[in-house]
Amino acid sequence: EPEVTQTPSHQVTQMGQEVILRCVPISNHLYFYWYRQILGQKVEFLVSFYNNEISEKSEIFDDQFSVERPDGSNFTLKIRSTKLEDSAMYFCASRVGKGETQYFGPGTRLLVL
Amino acid sequence: GENVEQHPSTLSVQEGDSAVIKCTYSDSASNYFPWYKQELGKGPQLIIDIRSNVGEKKDQRIAVTLNKTAKHFSLHITETQPEDSAVYFCAAPPNTNAGKSTFGDGTTLTVKP
Repeated sequence: EPEVTQTPSHQVTQMGQEVILRCVPISNHLYFYWYRQILGQKVEFLVSFYNNEISEKSEIFDDQFSVERPDGSNFTLKIRSTKLEDSAMYFCASRVGKGETQYFGPGTRLLVL
Repeated sequence: GENVEQHPSTLSVQEGDSAVIKCTYSDSASNYFPWYKQELGKGPQLIIDIRSNVGEKKDQRIAVTLNKTAKHFSLHITETQPEDSAVYFCAAPPNTNAGKSTFGDGTTLTVKP
């Protein structure tokens, strides 16, 4: 069964460093998402991406964040200058169309020291 | 935007008992209601979903009911087993192209053997 994959599974970085989280959505899906989950809290929406542009973003998704779909298969989330409070699990998700199921990847655990 | 409230936040049952988790939503345009199960260290996994044209859907021990008038939907797990222990999230994606999911706060279900 097709699945969303994410790399790396864990990332440790120093405050102020840039990180890139990578996702490979399911191949025929058209809508892509990043969510984050701080330990013990609910899943929070960051950004949605469709037709090679951002469709919607939350207030969490400030100028330090960016997304890219560089080659038609990968979908990346970049944090330019990480802060301690960026420590969280980051989940990528994709879906084939409007109103359809979102499938989540296994997540990347980011720890900012 | 969509507002989703989930209750209870924690639920402890004896093995074999039933568990019910309820979510209310605010956006009348929502027409798709998934439930996710999240095990420790993993991403949310869809376990059941329902669309607004039906009032109930069942899949073995799991069922979801929807009351569009009252704007709430519930997850029912019967004959609970210890492996049902996890965090359960409801979500309410609006019927828009972006279709970001607004998640409930989650319910930690513990099934005691």
